[in-house]
Amino acid sequence: GQNIDQPTEMTATEGAIVQINCTYQTSGFNGLFWYQQHAGEAPTFLSYNVLDGLEEKGRFSSFLSRSKGYSYLLLKELQMKDSASYLCAVRDPQAGGSYIPTFGRGTSLIVHP
Amino acid sequence: KAGVTQTPRYLIKTRGQQVTLSCSPISGHRSVSWYQQTPGQGLQFLFEYFSETQRNKGNFPGRFSGRQFSNSRSEMNVSTLELGDSALYLCASSGGEGSGELFFGEGSRLTVL
Repeated sequence: GQNIDQPTEMTATEGAIVQINCTYQTSGFNGLFWYQQHAGEAPTFLSYNVLDGLEEKGRFSSFLSRSKGYSYLLLKELQMKDSASYLCAVRDPQAGGSYIPTFGRGTSLIVHP
Repeated sequence: KAGVTQTPRYLIKTRGQQVTLSCSPISGHRSVSWYQQTPGQGLQFLFEYFSETQRNKGNFPGRFSGRQFSNSRSEMNVSTLELGDSALYLCASSGGEGSGELFFGEGSRLTVL
């Protein structure tokens, strides 16, 4: 099984930088995803890490350390529209090459002016 | 390219009834997975279908079932509804290539009275 922990809520100021942490304990691992979900909307894909290190994509970056069971999502130059829930998900490999994703409960980010 | 479509968007049922939810994946995607999202438990994996076969199943009772048709459209059914089944039910499709990111529909919000 999988256990994923992330903070419930974070607040930050427009223009600032925020780091959302995610720790996981897994029986199997084949990648970690971050998704963004605005209230009342579908989750949308932000990033995928399968190897250790930092993946940068515009204002968003994601880091993975497999040995520590740790990831973070870094959001730079925060904008009001970044107020959303951020979901960390670990992919657990199954027989036959398929995967089961396990999601954390999400971190609600509130960006203040 | 049309996104993932779920119907109905909202529905209200009473305890003991059953409900069927529908999901049309992105054209060309053969994998469809279903999730239950509640404030308390977050996003939880229900099951995944690939080429009309259930490939993986989460830890939900047998009242939750699903199927996939030859055109990759999928349905899930919940029988003998309980109050605790009130949730947002999300469907996601995946093409299976690359990172295997999930593309979510906007969900079906079920309220059980």
